[in-house]
Amino acid sequence: DAMVIQNPRYQVTQFGKPVTLSCSQTLNHNVMYWYQQKSSQAPKLLFHYYDKDFNNEADTPDNFQSRRPNTSFCFLDIRSPGLGDAAMYLCATSREGGYTFGSGTRLTVV
Amino acid sequence: QKEVEQDPGPLSVPEGAIVSLNCTYSNSAFQYFMWYRQYSRKGPELLMYTYSSGNKEDGRFTAQVDKSSKYISLFIRDSQPSDSATYLCAMSLTGTASKLTFGTGTRLQVTL
Repeated sequence: DAMVIQNPRYQVTQFGKPVTLSCSQTLNHNVMYWYQQKSSQAPKLLFHYYDKDFNNEADTPDNFQSRRPNTSFCFLDIRSPGLGDAAMYLCATSREGGYTFGSGTRLTVV
Repeated sequence: QKEVEQDPGPLSVPEGAIVSLNCTYSNSAFQYFMWYRQYSRKGPELLMYTYSSGNKEDGRFTAQVDKSSKYISLFIRDSQPSDSATYLCAMSLTGTASKLTFGTGTRLQVTL
């Protein structure tokens, strides 16, 4: 089945230690998104790609970066995670008709 | 003021009840209105989307959009325990594939 796969499902990292979350898709969609979702809050868009064109939201902290080496893969890098970065990170692709989300990576910062 | 406000709940109803979930929004330029369902420890999945004002029905689910009031609703008829999830409204300026602005979600529990 075509889908969006996020790895790992759960990630524990130390305060200040760089961490990378990965996302892959078999849908061959041009657009990929990274959202941050904290408990009981709306998903918040961090950035998105249209093909290789990178679009950063104005309020995304500099601590967050992303790479998209090809259509299928996208990475979220958090350079120096703080306690406030603990959240569910959702990757999604889109076409007309809606988004397809991955199952998310739940990040814990200790 | 947030761009999208959603009744936070949580909501607990007995099986078979009619459920009403609601969102209000402030940006009159929103054109596309969506409802996503999110089960625990899963990503959201699209339930329904509507363009502009009007109603749309899909099985037990009905989505309503009132642009004049900046108000959208999702009705679930004959609710089932499998409907227990968090429901997120989402809106877009230019299309269902475009940047979405989400509500905070309403957690629904349907009990036997």
